[in-house]
Amino acid sequence: AQKVTQAQTEISVVEKEDVTLDCVYETRDTTYYLFWYKQPPSGELVFLIRRNSFDEQNEISGRYSWNFQKSTSSFNFTITASQVVDSAVYFCALSEGNAGNMLTFGGGTRLMVKP
Amino acid sequence: DAGVIQSPRHEVTEMGQEVTLRCKPISGHNSLFWYRQTMMRGLELLIYFNNNVPIDDSGMPEDRFSAKMPNASFSTLKIQPSEPRDSAVYFCASSPGTVSGLSYEQYFGPGTRLTVT
Repeated sequence: AQKVTQAQTEISVVEKEDVTLDCVYETRDTTYYLFWYKQPPSGELVFLIRRNSFDEQNEISGRYSWNFQKSTSSFNFTITASQVVDSAVYFCALSEGNAGNMLTFGGGTRLMVKP
Repeated sequence: DAGVIQSPRHEVTEMGQEVTLRCKPISGHNSLFWYRQTMMRGLELLIYFNNNVPIDDSGMPEDRFSAKMPNASFSTLKIQPSEPRDSAVYFCASSPGTVSGLSYEQYFGPGTRLTVT
């Protein structure tokens, strides 16, 4: 059975600090997809990134970067030079290749960036 | 482009009343999902449609919940009768679906905040 664990329930940083959100997943499939979503205080869920299990290249998008390591079943998310607007709950999710498009979400990490 | 549209955004109802939540997915998306979010349980998948057909409804809590997708541009989630423990934010999401095992991201609507008193 698939499972996603976000061990950090809450993180607090001061603006301009770098912060890494951890995500560990479990799956028996060799083909799977990993996602990150952001849920700001306004409540909507915003898609950030999708990676497939065959692509372990790290990805950078502006201040955001993702580190995918199959050896440790982790897909961590780093925000560089955090800003107050980054304050949100961040969810990691997994979709197995044979599960249609269904997502299994982690419990989320609440990030608070203080000015 | 219009995203996923949900209505109403907020619903307050009394226990025992029927509640209908509505969703219009992104045009061209083949898959539609209903989720429920609470503090206690986090994000739970309730039901998943592909090409208007329910594929997996194992997350539907009980017979009081039902969902339909009469066409590619509309879905409803109905709770009858509603109970206070149904209070939650209900999200609808749509996705281009799967092609040869590829799994695409889901795009979420703004959610409906349901309060049952």
